[in-house]
Amino acid sequence: EDQVTQSPEALRLQEGESSSLNCSYTVSGLRGLFWYRQDPGKGPEFLFTLYSAGEEKEKERLKATLTKKESFLHITAPKPEDSATYLCAVRISGSARQLTFGSGTQLTVLP
Amino acid sequence: GAVVSQHPSRVICKSGTSVKIECRSLDFQATTMFWYRQFPKKSLMLMATSNEGSKATYEQGVEKDKFLINHASLTLSTLTVTSAHPEDSSFYICSAAPGGTDTQYFGPGTRLTVL
Repeated sequence: EDQVTQSPEALRLQEGESSSLNCSYTVSGLRGLFWYRQDPGKGPEFLFTLYSAGEEKEKERLKATLTKKESFLHITAPKPEDSATYLCAVRISGSARQLTFGSGTQLTVLP
Repeated sequence: GAVVSQHPSRVICKSGTSVKIECRSLDFQATTMFWYRQFPKKSLMLMATSNEGSKATYEQGVEKDKFLINHASLTLSTLTVTSAHPEDSSFYICSAAPGGTDTQYFGPGTRLTVL
């Protein structure tokens, strides 16, 4: 069965303390892996799309990487405004563009 | 980036009434839109895939007679929650992907509260 697992469930960091969020997946065929940020009471905001192992994407303090079994979202020198829930989703080959989401990591960055 | 809007952002209704939620792609056309439901502190659960000009495809366990989906144009999909009950209270979010791309863009969500 296709599965997406994110860890940790929650993460508290001090401002400036770098860390990584993990998204591991077990799918029959990966078409794409997506990272989103979601603030409370809002819809997910698109961050990155990754397609193949070894691919990396960067945006400001965030960098996403992909291997054959997992993806990492690295946060460098986070700021309080980076506090949000980060969601990982996969699109499976032949799935007509539906996304399967992980349960998310709730990140809190303390000033 | 592509923009998706939803209306209303919040709705409160009495048990037994029907509620319609609109999802619009503002700067692109979308032959397919998706409807998700999210419970507090939980992830998104796909409810159905909305196809322009044809019937929606519902995920297992989602009642198609309760959650009516209409995709009448390339920029508008609607979700109608019929005969709403308190257990239908939730956060409903739609998404769409511009043609030829894989990335889905999400609307801001609609908070439904059924009293």
